[in-house]
Amino acid sequence: EPEVTQTPSHQVTQMGQEVILRCVPISNHLYFYWYRQILGQKVEFLVSFYNNEISEKSEIFDDQFSVERPDGSNFTLKIRSTKLEDSAMYFCASRGGVANTGELFFGEGSRLTVL
Amino acid sequence: EDQVTQSPEALRLQEGESSSLNCSYTVSGLRGLFWYRQDPGKGPEFLFTLYSAGEEKEKERLKATLTKKESFLHITAPKPEDSATYLCAQGDTGRRALTFGSGTRLQVQP
Repeated sequence: EPEVTQTPSHQVTQMGQEVILRCVPISNHLYFYWYRQILGQKVEFLVSFYNNEISEKSEIFDDQFSVERPDGSNFTLKIRSTKLEDSAMYFCASRGGVANTGELFFGEGSRLTVL
Repeated sequence: EDQVTQSPEALRLQEGESSSLNCSYTVSGLRGLFWYRQDPGKGPEFLFTLYSAGEEKEKERLKATLTKKESFLHITAPKPEDSATYLCAQGDTGRRALTFGSGTRLQVQP
């Protein structure tokens, strides 16, 4: 069964360092997303990406964050200068084409710990 | 602001003891009401999508229903392997992202 894969599964970094989280969405999907979940809190939307550009972003997704689809398979989230409050589980998700209005398929997540 | 409220926050059941989880939503242009299961340290796993009031969907011991203001996830004769956090999320016609509730943490004891 096709799945969304994410790397790394866990990353520990020092405050102020840059971090790149990587995702390989399901191959025929067209919409890509990053969500995050701080321990014990809700799953929160960060950004959606379609047709090689950001289609929507939340207030969390400030200038410290960026996304990129560098090739036909990878989708990355970069945090330029990490803060303590960026510690969370980051989930990548994808969904199908325009005709598919439905479900997001999530990866297993990348746990980011900022010290 | 769109809101999704789930209740109860936590539920402990004995194996075989049926119950229901509630999800109320506020968006007026509902694009879909989604149920996910999340195991500790894992990503949400898709269960159901409901699009219109009166719709029902079933999968094994789970049945999801939808009214104009809320959705229920009914669990019939649960087993310990049903223990997880169940998340509800809404989509609306004006946005592409899903808005998640806080979840109901279900524990089924043998």
